[in-house]
Amino acid sequence: DIQLTQSPSSLSVSVGDRVTITCQASQAISNYLNWYQQKPGKAPKLLIYDVSSLETGVPSRFSGSGSGTDFTFTISSLQPEDIATYYCQQNENLPPWTFGQGTKVEIK
Amino acid sequence: EVQLVESGGGLVQPGRSLRLSCAASGFTFDDSALHWVRQAPGKGLEWVSGISWNSGSVVYADSVKGRFTISRDNAKNSLYLQMNSLRTEDTALYYCAKDKTIAAAGYFDYWGQGTLVTVSS
Repeated sequence: DIQLTQSPSSLSVSVGDRVTITCQASQAISNYLNWYQQKPGKAPKLLIYDVSSLETGVPSRFSGSGSGTDFTFTISSLQPEDIATYYCQQNENLPPWTFGQGTKVEIK
Repeated sequence: EVQLVESGGGLVQPGRSLRLSCAASGFTFDDSALHWVRQAPGKGLEWVSGISWNSGSVVYADSVKGRFTISRDNAKNSLYLQMNSLRTEDTALYYCAKDKTIAAAGYFDYWGQGTLVTVSS
């Protein structure tokens, strides 16, 4: 199975700050890397798929990049409503499709 | 508006069975693959099972293979998860999730609010 390791596990930032989360895969996964946002008590929401494609309706301050085994998720200017846990997920080839352990973003 | 509403969760003893349901609306049901994804209390997300639009392809995580069965009824716009031989480690919030594709490709673009399954004696 492909393992995904996110870092950091949590971060505390100020409104307006740039937020960067990394996701490292245990083997190359082409472009099959997605990012989800989960607010407390809510279901996850797909933000970015195939490394860098923004899901419809998602604000442009969210972006993704990377290739091979190393991927990055960025919030260009953190807003109060972005407080959540963020997960990367791979859907390379056959299942199981796995998630990273999550990164909790909090307001400083 | 896409809606996925799970039901059927509850408290069950180890070794017993439970059947989860997911009622879908707001999209063309038989144009989409569907999945179950679970989240243990305070933990991360774990994909459990997926099914293609016509039930021709079904896949499972190793942790549930042989115990859980996914199915769908396109006439009723419904997804199901039959869970047998439940273990304490199956305790989780179970989400129904829609795939962006018809073929169960692993893109979870809409999620329900989840139904809680607690396995305990």
